[in-house]
Amino acid sequence: ETGVTQTPRHLVMGMTNKKSLKCEQHLGHNAMYWYKQSAKKPLELMFVYNFKEQTENNSVPSRFSPECPNSSHLFLHLHTLQPEDSALYLCASSLGQGGETQYFGPGTRLLVL
Amino acid sequence: AQSVTQPDIHITVSEGASLELRCNYSYGATPYLFWYVQSPGQGLQLLLKYFSGDTLVQGIKGFEAEFKRSQSSFNLRKPSVHWSDAAEYFCAVGPMEYGNKLVFGAGTILRVKS
Repeated sequence: ETGVTQTPRHLVMGMTNKKSLKCEQHLGHNAMYWYKQSAKKPLELMFVYNFKEQTENNSVPSRFSPECPNSSHLFLHLHTLQPEDSALYLCASSLGQGGETQYFGPGTRLLVL
Repeated sequence: AQSVTQPDIHITVSEGASLELRCNYSYGATPYLFWYVQSPGQGLQLLLKYFSGDTLVQGIKGFEAEFKRSQSSFNLRKPSVHWSDAAEYFCAVGPMEYGNKLVFGAGTILRVKS
């Protein structure tokens, strides 16, 4: 395994479902990020973790719940989502938070019905 | 607040022609600047970055970008485009003092015609 991996790559869920997105980085980084990429909108930063501690919540609705058990793994737990939450969810990691380059995973394409 | 503008939503160039993608930013101090590329169904791949020093930055795949402080610009260039360069390109600014938060432009979709 190399770089940043995300599973699943595609997910279809109903508005009453509960699902989780998983991100794993194999780069020895300490900071991890969740971004949302919607059609025709710039990438939006959702959450930032540094050494497992959340350092940023960009006013994300509570139906999105992140979890970072260690510096290599990041989860995004989803419940009672809305159709407008359909998007590509990208995970990224960086060595630290001092301007280091962020490396992105391939994303999870989410469709909420 | 910091922001990034990519004025061109779509650009079409012929294979072998030169390319310039525009990026303008708004930020109160010296920014960290990045260009990423995204192929369909893929994540973002870093092309190049500017932190300090030489304002002409070389990246992967033959791309380069020039930081012009007076114009608040960081345009991406390639002298000869290949069909495999067709993708979406994102410019981003990353102020260090805000915890490495990246602010992205809306992206420019590059189409290459043969």
